This record gives sequence, C-alpha cells and structure tokens, in this order.
Amino acid sequence: DTEVTQTPKHLVMGMTNKKSLKCEQHMGHRAMYWYKQKAKKPPELMFVYSYEKLSINESVPSRFSPECPNSSLLNLHLHALQPEDSALYLCASSQGQFSNYGYTFGSGTRLTVV
Amino acid sequence: GIQVEQSPPDLILQEGANSTLRCNFSDSVNNLQWFHQNPWGQLINLFYIPSGTKQNGRLSATTVATERYSLLYISSSQTTDSGVYFCAASNDMRFGAGTRLTVKP
Repeated sequence: DTEVTQTPKHLVMGMTNKKSLKCEQHMGHRAMYWYKQKAKKPPELMFVYSYEKLSINESVPSRFSPECPNSSLLNLHLHALQPEDSALYLCASSQGQFSNYGYTFGSGTRLTVV
Repeated sequence: GIQVEQSPPDLILQEGANSTLRCNFSDSVNNLQWFHQNPWGQLINLFYIPSGTKQNGRLSATTVATERYSLLYISSSQTTDSGVYFCAASNDMRFGAGTRLTVKP
C-alpha cells in the first residue's frame, strides 16, 4: 500500500459545528503532516507529527486540534471554524520527519465553512 | 526556513511544445521534491532529487545543489500536463509559490 487516504473528500460545516478530518497510511511512515491550501496558493504547513508526538505547530489557531492515535492514523479536529478557514486540507507522510526520501500526499479534504 | 522561489509563475503552451520550470532555493537542501497538482487538488510526486538528473518519460529534472537551483523539463507537452507544479525543499517541506501550466490543444 503506497497511498495516503483522506476522508471525507468534501465537507461542509457550520461555524458552530464540530467535525474531524481523517488521514491514514500503511507504509510504515513515522512522520505525518497537515497542510492547508487556499485557492491559487501553495500548501502551507500546519502540523508535523513524528513518532506520534506533535513536533511542529506552525502557530495554528486552537480551533484546529490535531491528534495522532497511532503511527498510521492522523486526525484533525475542527471546532468553531470561520468562513476564512475554507480550504483544501492535505495530509502527507514520510519515513521520518523532513525525510530525504520524499513525501506522499493524500488527495485532500475540501472544506467549506458556512 | 529555506526560501523557495519558482519561475515563471504562469506558462501557457501549445500541445507538443517543450518547457523548463525553475526552482531556486536560499540555502543548501537535503533533498528537493517536484510535485504536480492536478485540477482536482491531488499532489503527485514527480521527482525527489538532491542533485544530478533524473528522467521519467517526458519529464526530467536536474538539481545543481552547489548553485541552489533545480529545473523541471517537460517535453512534448500534453493537455493532461496542465496544473500547478510545485517544488519543495525537504529540510522543512515548505513549498514554492508554484508554476501554473496551461497546455492548449
């Protein structure tokens, strides 16, 4: 299995909702990443997990809460989001943090906050 | 972090034409990766290339680490090559702004 699987593919949520994004990989990678991508912009790094521990938080607002329950799974819990949080959320994994051996990205969750 | 600059920002080609995309980086990198993002948002690995040249079909990439740049060559472009091409330095996986390629039939 050489894929990173993200669910759901699309999500519409209200500003008072709580929802979660899920990311899964079975390549034995020990680093996982969340990125946020706005239209016509490059992906921006949000969080990095290394060996299931939060390694980097790029000053992301607390309404985004990451969780890494095990080495294969990465969640992003969403609460009280704003319309400007609407974006494509991408998950990636690599053998180790900032690996020399490349990264694999999921197909993303397209989030709309209404 | 490492600054990554890509050029040109936009490129429009006729099908069958060749093109060269450039990625400059501000410091030495452990590795450099090229991606293609299709219109549906999927980021597809093209190359990870710390130095030297690699080829995959109509695509090839060259990284000159001592001069801090990498080039992506697309030959005989097809409409399916359209999308955004990003490079990212693996030291911290920060992306350049991308080159938006449109290939017209």
